[in-house]
Amino acid sequence: RKEVEQDPGPFNVPEGATVAFNCTYSNSASQSFFWYRQDCRKEPKLLMSVYSSGNEDGRFTAQLNRASQYISLLIRDSKLSDSATYLCVVNSYSSNTGKLIFGQGTTLQVKP
Amino acid sequence: EPEVTQTPSHQVTQMGQEVILRCVPISNHLYFYWYRQILGQKVEFLVSFYNNEISEKSEIFDDQFSVERPDGSNFTLKIRSTKLEDSAMYFCASRGLGGTNEQFFGPGTRLTVL
Repeated sequence: RKEVEQDPGPFNVPEGATVAFNCTYSNSASQSFFWYRQDCRKEPKLLMSVYSSGNEDGRFTAQLNRASQYISLLIRDSKLSDSATYLCVVNSYSSNTGKLIFGQGTTLQVKP
Repeated sequence: EPEVTQTPSHQVTQMGQEVILRCVPISNHLYFYWYRQILGQKVEFLVSFYNNEISEKSEIFDDQFSVERPDGSNFTLKIRSTKLEDSAMYFCASRGLGGTNEQFFGPGTRLTVL
């Protein structure tokens, strides 16, 4: 089983749509969870951290279900500029290195 | 806003040659990382570095790879004898203590091995 698994997509949605991405992780020792955004041939950039209580940042809402080892990202009112690859990322402290484990990424294409 | 910088942005080399990729992490950060991303694939962890030593390395990080922090600002990745399969984007990242444990990534070096 992959350590972090995502549906690669692509998700093609019209502007203004709501889109949801899901992710599962295999290591129950994972302690920190993130969504990163990656534009083509660029570095990953943190979109938001994901907390157990769920958290929201503007049009973006992230949820974590530790029991199911499941993370989600909801984007409301999609903009053309949201087109990118969204990376589900977990961070295990089992060895105290803080290394990040990335999913394959889910590609979003927002069309006018 | 402080940022991680990397040089060069693109490195082309012949198979068997040595390359050194350079990174300047954010100045007050203490943890440093190298990741790589082969075209079309996911980002993969290579190595983490803390307190002037390697704290963890992946299976990819074999004897051909080494890291160094030669001074107070630079963090380098050396590949001794490059192979075709080393062609990838190499990202440096750093993080500070506490907070959300966010890692900040540099813009990457695209390594092409011919």
